[in-house]
Amino acid sequence: QLVETGGDLIQPGGSLRLACAASGFTVSSNHMSWVRQAPGKGLEWVSVIYSGGERYYADFVKGRFVISRDNSKNTLYLQMSSLRTEDTGTYYCARGSGGNPWTGPNWFDPWGQGTLVTVSS
Amino acid sequence: DIQMTQSPSSLSASVGDRVTITCRASQSIGSYLNWYQQKPGKAPKLLIYAASNLQSGVPSRFSGSGSGADFTLTISSLQPEDFATYYCQQSYITLYTFGQGTKLEIK
Repeated sequence: QLVETGGDLIQPGGSLRLACAASGFTVSSNHMSWVRQAPGKGLEWVSVIYSGGERYYADFVKGRFVISRDNSKNTLYLQMSSLRTEDTGTYYCARGSGGNPWTGPNWFDPWGQGTLVTVSS
Repeated sequence: DIQMTQSPSSLSASVGDRVTITCRASQSIGSYLNWYQQKPGKAPKLLIYAASNLQSGVPSRFSGSGSGADFTLTISSLQPEDFATYYCQQSYITLYTFGQGTKLEIK
């Protein structure tokens, strides 16, 4: 099970940290990802951290967002900075499966329930 | 980036109908294609992985096929709980991309 927290109303240019607490499996032994969905829109992949530790980002968040994990808390994080109005949406975390520690996941399952981030003045 | 294009964008069908949704990639992606179902206000749910493998617990009326750049999701006999939005997703490259979604509505 995955439970996201941290979503909030934030002004443009601000920062926010999302958390995704996992139960039933170990975050550090799995690929983990963030996917977002703007209101009424489709799914958009944001970032992934491989079980082996490599991190990748979508171009539209590169340099602004950082994915990380805390093994002691079995929790995934997304540190978001320089937020823009277009970053508004529901952010889901998901476990990645398939692949290997160096090539990343091939599919995402399960997903958390999501947390809403609203960037507005 | 690899672009994923689904068709149709929306579809009206009746309970018991056979429905097919198509997903086309902008380049060959082998079998690195997954399908998800999303109901309003809920998280996406994995249905099919690696183009044709049924995720555990998913009813057998769902099936996936294809390879290369063209893929299909078929629901053999629509049930009331199948009305939702469906997304394809490629995992051929790490810059994962989703299709724009196909909204399946009750006729």
